[in-house]
Amino acid sequence: EAQVTQNPRYLITVTGKKLTVTCSQNMNHEYMSWYRQDPGLGLRQIYYSMNVEVTDKGDVPEGYKVSRKEKRNFPLILESPSPNQTSLYFCASSPWERATEAFFGQGTRLTVV
Amino acid sequence: AQSVAQPEDQVNVAEGNPLTVKCTYSVSGNPYLFWYVQYPNRGLQFLLKYITGDNLVKGSYGFEAEFNKSQTSFHLKKPSALVSDSALYFCAVRDDSNYQLIWGAGTKLIIKP
Repeated sequence: EAQVTQNPRYLITVTGKKLTVTCSQNMNHEYMSWYRQDPGLGLRQIYYSMNVEVTDKGDVPEGYKVSRKEKRNFPLILESPSPNQTSLYFCASSPWERATEAFFGQGTRLTVV
Repeated sequence: AQSVAQPEDQVNVAEGNPLTVKCTYSVSGNPYLFWYVQYPNRGLQFLLKYITGDNLVKGSYGFEAEFNKSQTSFHLKKPSALVSDSALYFCAVRDDSNYQLIWGAGTKLIIKP
């Protein structure tokens, strides 16, 4: 089954404790991205990657890191989480074709206390 | 500047009535337009897209959307609403220059029995 898998689905952590949210896709897609979803703000892009070893900042990259060492994986790293990073996070992937829809993971609800 | 607007935070419709969720856009170049739906505690799912051709696009779950170039709109429609259509709906446009998706803030659709 074609899918984008995020882990964990839920995470509560403390300020400053490094964490990684994993994202994996099994569709051999070139393009992957991370979004955060906050009430009233819709989806905001954090980082995206057009292919292996190619990443770029989205609209709200501060406080986040990503890597793309393999085509299927695109982890999101919070080196020192802060409460304002409490949010719902989504990973998405798509083929490198402008007219093709994106596939989304189930989401990771992160709470930083 | 590229943008997508969903002017209604919430739309309320009685079951069996037609529904419309509005979306307007502003991009340079040719717009590639998408509608996604998000059910509670789920990731976003693709509904339909407009690339070129017929201005009326049909998608999943009986939804359709009408592309209007002169009004720069891409409204989502369904002839007869179901309670199960209640969800959060997002409009998005892919920027022709850099392939990034630009998202609307989302519209909560509530279908009342």
